[in-house]
Amino acid sequence: QKEVEQNSGPLSVPEGAIASLNCTYSDRVSQSFFWYRQYSGKSPELIMSIYSNGDKEDGRFTAQLNKASQYVSLLIRDSQPSDSATYLCAGGDSSYKLIFGSGTRLLVRP
Amino acid sequence: SAVISQKPSRDICQRGTSLTIQCQVDSQVTMMFWYRQQPGQSLTLIATANQGSEATYESGFVIDKFPISRPNLTFSTLTVSNMSPEDSSIYLCSVRTGTTGEQFFGPGTRLTVL
Repeated sequence: QKEVEQNSGPLSVPEGAIASLNCTYSDRVSQSFFWYRQYSGKSPELIMSIYSNGDKEDGRFTAQLNKASQYVSLLIRDSQPSDSATYLCAGGDSSYKLIFGSGTRLLVRP
Repeated sequence: SAVISQKPSRDICQRGTSLTIQCQVDSQVTMMFWYRQQPGQSLTLIATANQGSEATYESGFVIDKFPISRPNLTFSTLTVSNMSPEDSSIYLCSVRTGTTGEQFFGPGTRLTVL
């Protein structure tokens, strides 16, 4: 089992819809979780971090963490074509090193 | 978040040569990291750059191939030595500025080895 797993996609949603991105993780990753957005040819940009069970909202983004199920998700409300990118899930281990998933490509159709 | 710059932004190199990539941060940071992103793939941590001591390398990466320096709290270099086409990747530095574990990435260096 990979330490951080994501569906590679692409996930295609119409403009204005909710995009739901999911990530599962192994026991090695347990301290903290992050969602990065990466546009083609650009470096990853941190968009959300979450450390405790439950939901965390920031504008159109909501991160959800369920430690019992080892599951973290990112919801993007009112998706826009500019949200089209690869979304990387990362987990922090006990030494704060990040382990990245393979990324999910999101396409928002106008 | 800190402002991070990398030089060069891209380079094309010949097999067998070496390239040194610089990472500069506009403020002192506790931790700096070097990652590799091969074409179409996710990020893999190469090493943690430790200020004033030897870098800590991840499994599969060795100092002879990827020597790293970190002379102070705002600057680090990664050298890719004796390059082969398999080293063609984007190399990224990242920094952790506080205690939350959040990391911020530099713009990356796109390396092509012929």
